[in-house]
Amino acid sequence: DAKTTQPPSMDCAEGRAANLPCNHSTISGNEYVYWYRQIHSQGPQYIIHGLKNNETNEMASLIITEDRKSSTLILPHATLRDTAVYYCIVSNFGNEKLTFGTGTRLTIIP
Amino acid sequence: SQTIHQWPATLVQPVGSPLSLECTVEGTSNPNLYWYRQAAGRGLQLLFYSVGIGQISSEVPQNLSASRPQDRQFILSSKKLLLSDSGFYLCAWSQPGRQGNGQYFGPGTRLTVT
Repeated sequence: DAKTTQPPSMDCAEGRAANLPCNHSTISGNEYVYWYRQIHSQGPQYIIHGLKNNETNEMASLIITEDRKSSTLILPHATLRDTAVYYCIVSNFGNEKLTFGTGTRLTIIP
Repeated sequence: SQTIHQWPATLVQPVGSPLSLECTVEGTSNPNLYWYRQAAGRGLQLLFYSVGIGQISSEVPQNLSASRPQDRQFILSSKKLLLSDSGFYLCAWSQPGRQGNGQYFGPGTRLTVT
């Protein structure tokens, strides 16, 4: 699976959009981009995934660049409950052995 | 809807004692099942995964073992715990063959080996 690079930490003001970047320059054509988050002392929570088209669900939007070498997770109106570690993972569909890196620690500031 | 249960929520065990952690999934059939461990301040490490009853794949060598006696039951065991086995143990499930809904995690068991 391709390696991902994320900033170790970010802050965002409550009510603003949180934009979390992820680089995956070695992604191959059949690999999906997954985003999970882990709130302190809880198990990870699936957020969203995509292959090459932008995706949106009730939690977030995922923007994948045309060359698929990077992506951005957008939380449109961040709340204090969005404070968590966010993981960007690239994985081949069918190979569901996810490799979690160190992620981005997002802190929402009141 | 699907739910995943793990117990116990917390556990304190002495070095050398046995371990048994249980995970069950409801509301789905033939799921893929996973055991992860997260040491304090570290990332998640995949320990075992299973695609069916009796089928276990180990990702890292260690003194832990896993078993899947029933379709929706996954057990993590050890005969003799080490101090290094302390951590947050997470069970997860996914639906095989279903395009990318990812894995769904249980609440976890926090194990302290003393």
